[in-house]
Amino acid sequence: ELKVEQNPLFLSMQEGKNYTIYCNYSTTSDRLYWYRQDPGKSLESLFVLLSNGAVKQEGRLMASLDTKARLSTLHITAAVHDLSATYFCAVGNYGGSQGNLIFGKGTKLSVKP
Amino acid sequence: GAGVSQSPRYKVTKRGQDVTLRCDPISSHATLYWYQQALGQGPEFLTYFNYEAQPDKSGLPSDRFSAERPEGSISTLTIQRTEQRDSAMYRCASSALGSEKLFFGSGTQLSVL
Repeated sequence: ELKVEQNPLFLSMQEGKNYTIYCNYSTTSDRLYWYRQDPGKSLESLFVLLSNGAVKQEGRLMASLDTKARLSTLHITAAVHDLSATYFCAVGNYGGSQGNLIFGKGTKLSVKP
Repeated sequence: GAGVSQSPRYKVTKRGQDVTLRCDPISSHATLYWYQQALGQGPEFLTYFNYEAQPDKSGLPSDRFSAERPEGSISTLTIQRTEQRDSAMYRCASSALGSEKLFFGSGTQLSVL
């Protein structure tokens, strides 16, 4: 059974600092996603990672995937208050049906001035 | 439409009643997904459609849950004989055929009293 663990679950950062959110998963997968959710809002797709060694960057966020270690990271550079949100990683079952994604519990990020 | 639209936004019902939730995906999107999200948790997969076909309904918690997409566009999720444990946010998402990027709707918050 595929399990997805994120850590930390809560993260309080100061503006300008760097930090990394980790997403571990338990069995082979061929696709990994990062989503952002603002309070009371829906989920917004950030990154889709489909191959070992994939790295994608958007603004102050960079995501990477190591399929051998079954690990993805979301790195935050020089955090700003606007990045405060909950970040979810989600993993697709290898060979499983499209859309049958297993989500982590989410990392609630709070960036303080 | 411009985004994924769900209705109603909130639904309060009494235990034992049936409820039907509606999802109107992005008009060009062939694939539609239903997820259930409990407070403070990541979404959990329920089922998905490619056009009107429903290849995977393995996530539906019981036979009280059913989903339809008869014309390959709008979809409904019906919960019969609702129970308090069905209380959650129900989210619909859609994607272009073959695309890994999911667009989520704002969800329907279901409360079963």
